Amino acid sequence: DAGITQSPRHKVTETGTPVTLRCHQTENHRYMYWYRQDPGHGLRLIHYSYGVKDTDKGEVSDGYSVSRSKTEDFLLTLESATSSQTSVYFCAIKDNYEQYFGPGTRLTVT
Amino acid sequence: QKEVEQDPGPLSVPEGAIVSLNCTYSNSAFQYFMWYRQYSRKGPELLMYTYSSGNKEDGRFTAQVDKSSKYISLFIRDSQPSDSATYLCASLHTGNQFYFGTGTSLTVIP
Repeated sequence: DAGITQSPRHKVTETGTPVTLRCHQTENHRYMYWYRQDPGHGLRLIHYSYGVKDTDKGEVSDGYSVSRSKTEDFLLTLESATSSQTSVYFCAIKDNYEQYFGPGTRLTVT
Repeated sequence: QKEVEQDPGPLSVPEGAIVSLNCTYSNSAFQYFMWYRQYSRKGPELLMYTYSSGNKEDGRFTAQVDKSSKYISLFIRDSQPSDSATYLCASLHTGNQFYFGTGTSLTVIP
């Protein structure tokens, strides 16, 4: 499983509240990614990181920010959650030309 | 046009059948191709990875890439009920962003 954990695994929050999701990896991979997965859209890239403090936007970055202060941790923050951000969020790492995923966080914004 | 297109199905087959899953891609620069299996409420799991054109076999699974037609296929022989899942294709060129199809839902009926 490439040593990837995500927390929390489930969260219900109210519209307008800030939310932070955490991804932790144990194998010192340089590249880390945040995706969201929604029916009919598949996996869509939110942000990715190519090193400590180095991040870039993906396809659906609006409303999301990320931080990576340590190699092992990649945080995804929803500054002010909206109902359209209800989704399943997956963290992933890149190992050579392969990508491995964490178990996911199911986020519901009410 | 999405970078990678995949028929969402659903696909339903009897146990023991040969399953063919297919994707097309638009970017001729893609060099690496992957298939993932995703069980319900789980993260995607890397099944197979191939480079450029050709076939790769792993047990009952065969991945095939035809770069001339920009076509990616996954064949499952002697399908089992445990193969019931959503299958996602993905592509990567020399950059660090992966492009995913929306997934095909497969059910193998005992």
